[in-house]
Amino acid sequence: QAQLVQSGAEVKKPGASVKVSCKASGYTFNIFGISWVRQAPGQGLEWMGWISAHNHNTHYARKFQGRVTMTTETSTSTAYMELRSLTSDDTAVYYCARGRRSFTSGWPMVLWGQGTLVSVSS
Amino acid sequence: DIVMTQSPLSLPVTPGEPASISCRSSQSLLHSNGYNYLDWYLQKPGQSPHLLIYLGSNRASGVPDRFNGSGSGTDFTLKISRVEAEDVGVYYCMQTLETLALTFGGGTKVEIK
Repeated sequence: QAQLVQSGAEVKKPGASVKVSCKASGYTFNIFGISWVRQAPGQGLEWMGWISAHNHNTHYARKFQGRVTMTTETSTSTAYMELRSLTSDDTAVYYCARGRRSFTSGWPMVLWGQGTLVSVSS
Repeated sequence: DIVMTQSPLSLPVTPGEPASISCRSSQSLLHSNGYNYLDWYLQKPGQSPHLLIYLGSNRASGVPDRFNGSGSGTDFTLKISRVEAEDVGVYYCMQTLETLALTFGGGTKVEIK
């Protein structure tokens, strides 16, 4: 069945970058959008942006513009989210999620990865 | 950005009884195409979120029919007709009208009394 499997937990120092991967299987990867959502410890959900796996167009939340890059690699059915200039406020679980309909946006999000914990600490 | 406000923050429920969660947006989510760009998600303890309702009132695949979304404009409601123990978790509404700034509500924690 369709699933998204994310890379493992990361520990980073302030100022560093992190790149989280999200490997898709069980569906045609390059016709759906992928959104990225994060959740700080004990907090709610925050949408970061999305990428079309079809044409690689990206839309980033204003808060993350200039600091985030979302990419996809069709040959391996993998999406990536890189976040730079990390601070302790970026400590969170990062989720990838697939959009519901092909050739449209990365939402509503019908298929979610298991989450990747990124801890930022000096 | 559109601000989403949910109430209550916490909702103790009795199995078999109905439950209702409110979600209000700072701007109308009703598009000129007639759709309300409002989705509902449930995050069960220790799990990733999953989609319950999209475009205000459409149940996602596999979602039991005891879950119903309603409302229009700025006021929306998620109703569970008869709560089951497996429904515990945090419920989030999310607006998808402002596509460069999708925003979630703060969440409503549903727990069994």
